[in-house]
Amino acid sequence: GAGVSQSPRYKVAKRGQDVALRCDPISGHVSLFWYQQALGQGPEFLTYFQNEAQLDKSGLPSDRFFAERPEGSVSTLKIQRTQQEDSAVYLCASSLGYRGDEQFFGPGTRLTVL
Amino acid sequence: AQSVSQHNHHVILSEAASLELGCNYSYGGTVNLFWYVQYPGQHLQLLLKYFSGDPLVKGIKGFEAEFIKSKFSFNLRKPSVQWSDTAEYFCAVNKIGSNYQLIWGAGTKLIIKP
Repeated sequence: GAGVSQSPRYKVAKRGQDVALRCDPISGHVSLFWYQQALGQGPEFLTYFQNEAQLDKSGLPSDRFFAERPEGSVSTLKIQRTQQEDSAVYLCASSLGYRGDEQFFGPGTRLTVL
Repeated sequence: AQSVSQHNHHVILSEAASLELGCNYSYGGTVNLFWYVQYPGQHLQLLLKYFSGDPLVKGIKGFEAEFIKSKFSFNLRKPSVQWSDTAEYFCAVNKIGSNYQLIWGAGTKLIIKP
């Protein structure tokens, strides 16, 4: 596709459920980032992939958060045993190279944990 | 820790007014600087960026920003705003030599009165 796509766009989960959020980056983009954006705040970094390698996961808030990009294209962010504080918009971005190129963003997945 | 500060959380202007949105960052090394915009109902898109060279950069839709290294600032300007500029504006920074994760300001919601 022409841009970064994310699915689902909206997800409502009951506390304790597991969720999986998908990101399809722009074809050929090497770098992929996940960010979390709480209401009224700017995005915060979660994790970074260069192709299939997860080079930085320092932003993941707990071990309930797990991300993968097994073939270097599509990525999945999984949150286990969701908590109310996980409610946020999860943004995926990709960039062509790995040296600070412009990041292209998807529409985000709005997760609401009840 | 590195941080990005945006001085105004909400700005309301009339059409044709001049705009300046402040952005300061706290990292002392070499950085790339970005302004992203999010129009209502749309995803984040790049407005302009500074990597090196002329500190006055021009972006899309008549926006420009000036990098002042001594002040750690990268303020966004537009001489005459339009109703269609109503959006949320985010300043972001990444560090040269890092994995190029973006560090974001909290955003400024700009409302232009017709």
